Amino acid sequence: DADVTQTPRNRITKTGKRIMLECSQTKGHDRMYWYRQDPGLGLRLIYYSFDVKDINKGEISDGYSVSRQAQAKFSLSLESAIPNQTALYFCATSGSAGQGYTFGSGTRLTVV
Amino acid sequence: QKEVEQDPGPLSVPEGAIVSLNCTYSNSAFQYFMWYRQYSRKGPELLMYTYSSGNKEDGRFTAQVDKSSKYISLFIRDSQPSDSATYLCAMVNSGYALNFGKGTSLLVTP
Repeated sequence: DADVTQTPRNRITKTGKRIMLECSQTKGHDRMYWYRQDPGLGLRLIYYSFDVKDINKGEISDGYSVSRQAQAKFSLSLESAIPNQTALYFCATSGSAGQGYTFGSGTRLTVV
Repeated sequence: QKEVEQDPGPLSVPEGAIVSLNCTYSNSAFQYFMWYRQYSRKGPELLMYTYSSGNKEDGRFTAQVDKSSKYISLFIRDSQPSDSATYLCAMVNSGYALNFGKGTSLLVTP
């Protein structure tokens, strides 16, 4: 099994719909992250969580919310999807501050 | 100005060439420096990790950090077609999350 599992892998949704992207990890790490990747813009941080009770906004949190249900689970929600939220979304996890991140395989989201 | 700047390329080299990838940054608080490799339709994977100024070598890969110039580099020796990917630099200071460069697309041609 993968260390970081993201579901779904691909999703097409309509403008205005609520959608949740899920992430689970088996690394036993406290820190989890959500990034989105767009051509020409690289990876941009949406939200991050250093433990179950700690949630922090990233660079581009508007229009998104998160829930840290357990150490191993961190979900990202789009309350009312809009077309410019079409992107590749990555979840990641890490140990302490300087450790490398382990990424999931990504969720390709299309909002029509 | 974005905190981490990276030339997006694309960079095309023949097999066997030495590849040099670079990033500059503006935040002097960054302490940890990493390079990730990302193949098409895959998540980024950690390639190299450094903490201090200087060089770190791992097989055909060398990571170099110059904190005084706020400049980091990744060198790939004897490049192979399998090295064709997007290379992302990333850096972080304690208490925050990784800042990524936009990535450089590399193509190694046989």
